[in-house]
Parts: sequence; C-alpha cells; structure tokens
Amino acid sequence: SQTIHQWPATLVQPVGSPLSLECTVEGTSNPNLYWYRQAAGRGLQLLFYSVGIGQISSEVPQNLSASRPQDRQFILSSKKLLLSDSGFYLCAFDIAGQPQHFGDGTRLSIL
Amino acid sequence: DAKTTQPPSMDCAEGRAANLPCNHSTISGNEYVYWYRQIHSQGPQYIIHGLKNNETNEMASLIITEDRKSSTLILPHATLRDTAVYYCIVRPWYNNNDMRFGAGTRLTVKP
Repeated sequence: SQTIHQWPATLVQPVGSPLSLECTVEGTSNPNLYWYRQAAGRGLQLLFYSVGIGQISSEVPQNLSASRPQDRQFILSSKKLLLSDSGFYLCAFDIAGQPQHFGDGTRLSIL
Repeated sequence: DAKTTQPPSMDCAEGRAANLPCNHSTISGNEYVYWYRQIHSQGPQYIIHGLKNNETNEMASLIITEDRKSSTLILPHATLRDTAVYYCIVRPWYNNNDMRFGAGTRLTVKP
C-alpha cells in the first residue's frame, strides 16, 4: 500500500536558524509531491509541488525552498527562519488524476 | 481563494446523520468535487469525490445537485471520532496543484 511519512512531528527553532523538513513516499513510483503550510485556524496554502526528480514549482514567493533529490523524497528547507515561518507544514502526494493523500504534518514554532 | 462556500460550523448528535453542505456555483464542467476532513493536529484525510453522479463509499455519501452548483456530504451515523474540520474542494481532475482549501466546516459530534 502507498504511505507517506513526514518528520519531525514537532520542531522548535530559533529565528535565523536553518530548516530541513523531510517527506518520503512508499509503495509507488513517480508520485506528484506537494508542500503546504497551514496557519492556525486557516485553510491550507500550497507552497511547492513537484512532478518529477529535480522539478520544483513554487506557488508563493517566500523564505523557503524545496528540493526533490530522489523520486519519492521531498525536502523543505530554509537558510534563515523568520518568525512568520511558524505553522503546520504538510506534505502530500498523488498519482496522476487520483486524490491527494497527506502526511501527519510538522508543527514548526519559531522563537 | 477557495472556489467553495461552506458554513463555518455545525453540530450533530452522535448516531444521527451529519449533512454538510457546500456551494460551488462557479464550478466548471471538468472540475470534480472533493471532500477531505482534518482532525486536530493531523493531516487532511481524503473522504470521497465525484463529478456529477452521487457517490458512496465506506466513509460517506456525496450528493451533487443536478446543476452541480452545490453538494452535500453525508455521514450516515456520526460518531464522536467524526468531529473534525471538513473541507469541500473543486478542481480539475488533471490538475492536482489547484487544490484550494478554504476554512471548511467545523463539525462537532455531541453525545
């Protein structure tokens, strides 16, 4: 069966520190991969999506970047975190035309 | 901006049917209606989707009006574990990077 894993579940980072969140998918090949951010009490905002290795599309300009070094691995990064980067980060995947499936998310707090 | 309108909150008695409405008056002919739910501090969970026919699976039923401008998600026998935020989303079947999550409906199932 297809599964998606995100880690860590929670993270507390100081302002100005780097960030690396990882997401991996199992049980399928060549998935589409997505990073979303959710502010408290709000809907999801699509940040990045990827249709293949090395292919990244950015939906909103920001302090974050994404990379896809392997077919089923998606990484969200930042060189220097801002207070506004706090939020709930969700990774998702799908296979062409099928519903998206989400990971359990990473709750990021910036101090 | 989301292409759908949902009531911000609803209550339902345990064991009764929960009927969650969604308006999508600007839906296009190639757009499906998707429903997800998000339990606190978890990633969204896919429930069901449809184009124009009513759909049913082990989780819920989806009723889409003939003009496709609105739909209703039905949880036939709500339990306390169904308490969550429910999102209605419309998007083309071929374009998963157009998943626009609004604020959703917060369903509270009461004993």
